[in-house]
Amino acid sequence: DQQVKQNSPSLSVQEGRISILNCDYTNSMFDYFLWYKKYPAEGPTFLISISSIKDKNEDGRFTVFLNKSAKHLSLHIVPSQPGDSAVYFCAASGNAGNMLTFGGGTRLMVKP
Amino acid sequence: GAVVSQHPSRVICKSGTSVKIECRSLDFQATTMFWYRQFPKQSLMLMATSNEGSKATYEQGVEKDKFLINHASLTLSTLTVTSAHPEDSSFYICSAHLAGKVGTEAFFGQGTRLTVV
Repeated sequence: DQQVKQNSPSLSVQEGRISILNCDYTNSMFDYFLWYKKYPAEGPTFLISISSIKDKNEDGRFTVFLNKSAKHLSLHIVPSQPGDSAVYFCAASGNAGNMLTFGGGTRLMVKP
Repeated sequence: GAVVSQHPSRVICKSGTSVKIECRSLDFQATTMFWYRQFPKQSLMLMATSNEGSKATYEQGVEKDKFLINHASLTLSTLTVTSAHPEDSSFYICSAHLAGKVGTEAFFGQGTRLTVV
């Protein structure tokens, strides 16, 4: 039973355009959501997060949107750059502590 | 940001031997560390929660006698894969949060690529 899902395994975007990565969750106890970027053979690096009390959080080129009623969040990257090419994981945590439940990841390819 | 160091980054071992992976929080104390495993082209799956000074909490389906976790200090957790077999070959990653802060981003180690031959 996947509690966090990223339905698009891959996404290809032209440099300079917007990249939109989507994530859905089923567990209503999740109250904190994070996006991580991961290169092959490396650990994930934190990008941006959002608490369930907010619906938007912005940090530079990265914006995360949260729609609690739809149990959906998205990561917008604009403008996209070739260096953004990586696998992006969304993750969620709840009241039980800091353990993260990860989505399956979306491979983003930004073409020059 | 906080730094988590994981060692070794890559290890190849023979079937039946044991391998120890270390995870250190370099500039902060971590009462809790987490161990994840990633299979090729799959997500990160939580294996266990490592608690400083007490027994680890394992996720369902993870053999605690096979994956020994020790969290002897606030800055070090170790994962030992005992009697490794080829199916244990995977990418193992540890993470830690700043002590006392719930619901914050995790800082991940660089990961360890284990290959059992």
